[in-house]
Amino acid sequence: DSGVTQTPKHLITATGQRVTLRCSPRSGDLSVYWYQQSLDQGLQFLIQYYNGEERAKGNILERFSAQQFPDLHSELNLSSLELGDSALYFCASSATAGGTGAFFGQGTRLTVV
Amino acid sequence: TQLLEQSPQFLSIQEGENLTVYCNSSSVFSSLQWYRQEPGEGPVLLVTVVTGGEVKKLKRLTFQFGDARKDSSLHITAAQPGDTGLYLCAGADSGGGADGLTFGKGTHLIIQP
Repeated sequence: DSGVTQTPKHLITATGQRVTLRCSPRSGDLSVYWYQQSLDQGLQFLIQYYNGEERAKGNILERFSAQQFPDLHSELNLSSLELGDSALYFCASSATAGGTGAFFGQGTRLTVV
Repeated sequence: TQLLEQSPQFLSIQEGENLTVYCNSSSVFSSLQWYRQEPGEGPVLLVTVVTGGEVKKLKRLTFQFGDARKDSSLHITAAQPGDTGLYLCAGADSGGGADGLTFGKGTHLIIQP
């Protein structure tokens, strides 16, 4: 158990819909990362928050947004969903802003139909 | 955008053999991490290397960070079926974390009994 909790584990939704994925980091970790993993693209970095502030931005689509709350949990919002958004979405946390290892949750498997 | 190339992409060997997988980049990283991922699970952090030339051992696994901090290798001695999985390397950029953690596409390792 990594200590990172993601909900829900599975999500099936229709194209055009909006969903919210939730992440609780390890106790004491200030950084939260979001990643998308698909078979052909591997793990793609989406966005990082550190202590409530956006720290780094990767290949995150404009239809996607995220935030980190004062209690350090984070949410990833995906809107106007397309079939191609179907993937595993991982949250990871680390104690610092970068350079140390990250601890991953078990992921949310999103299926868009 | 920093890229990490991992090789080989796929490797299937017999139990008891030794193997080495590689992680290469043209970019300098402040640190590099290795993870192992099993199907349907999140990546699990194995090690973080920080100093150029650093060597770390974890039981039968030996990790090395290149002198220039652009590449790394993972050597497994006397591989066991339990070593089967997807091995991922990830680099933290040396520019203050603006690129988050960049992952390679991984090496799929199968150890046959």
